[in-house]
Amino acid sequence: DADVTQTPRNRITKTGKRIMLECSQTKGHDRMYWYRQDPGLGLRLIYYSFDVKDINKGEISDGYSVSRQAQAKFSLSLESAIPNQTALYFCATSDLGTSGYNEQFFGPGTRLTVL
Amino acid sequence: AQSVTQLDSQVPVFEEAPVELRCNYSSSVSVYLFWYVQYPNQGLQLLLKYLSGSTLVKGINGFEAEFNKSQTSFHLRKPSVHISDTAEYFCAVLAYGSASKIIFGSGTRLSIRP
Repeated sequence: DADVTQTPRNRITKTGKRIMLECSQTKGHDRMYWYRQDPGLGLRLIYYSFDVKDINKGEISDGYSVSRQAQAKFSLSLESAIPNQTALYFCATSDLGTSGYNEQFFGPGTRLTVL
Repeated sequence: AQSVTQLDSQVPVFEEAPVELRCNYSSSVSVYLFWYVQYPNQGLQLLLKYLSGSTLVKGINGFEAEFNKSQTSFHLRKPSVHISDTAEYFCAVLAYGSASKIIFGSGTRLSIRP
């Protein structure tokens, strides 16, 4: 079984709809992240969470919100989807580590299309 | 602030030929450096990383990268590619003390011709 899972894997929605993307992990990691990937732009950080009570904005948080329901679950919401939020969304996790670097492990991605 | 530049958006090569994917970074503080690979319809997986020590880093699937501090580069190389190496490759940087906020490059799509 995959360590980091994302649901749904694909979603098509309409402008103005509310959408939630979910991420679950069985790695026991404290830190979780949401990224979006756009062609030619690489991955950009939307939100990150270092534990259930610690949530932080990333590079491009406008138009998004998140919820950390438990150590293993981190959801990303688009309150009112717009077409330029069409992208591939990735969840990632990492542990605390002691060397200053924490490897991030990625889920398979959710392809979201907003019409 | 940190930034990463991948100089080639696409690199076509013939099977069994050598390949180099270029990456330059900018940072005012010391950094960790990474290469990730994304196979079609999959998430990213770590190919290799430079944390400290030897500047030549070996990763999975026969890839290696060399950290050059003076040129602020971290180019990825493989002496002989296979069809299975077809993927998108991302260079990334993490500044010391930046709370796990990795900055990714825009990606290089490697296509292997038989």
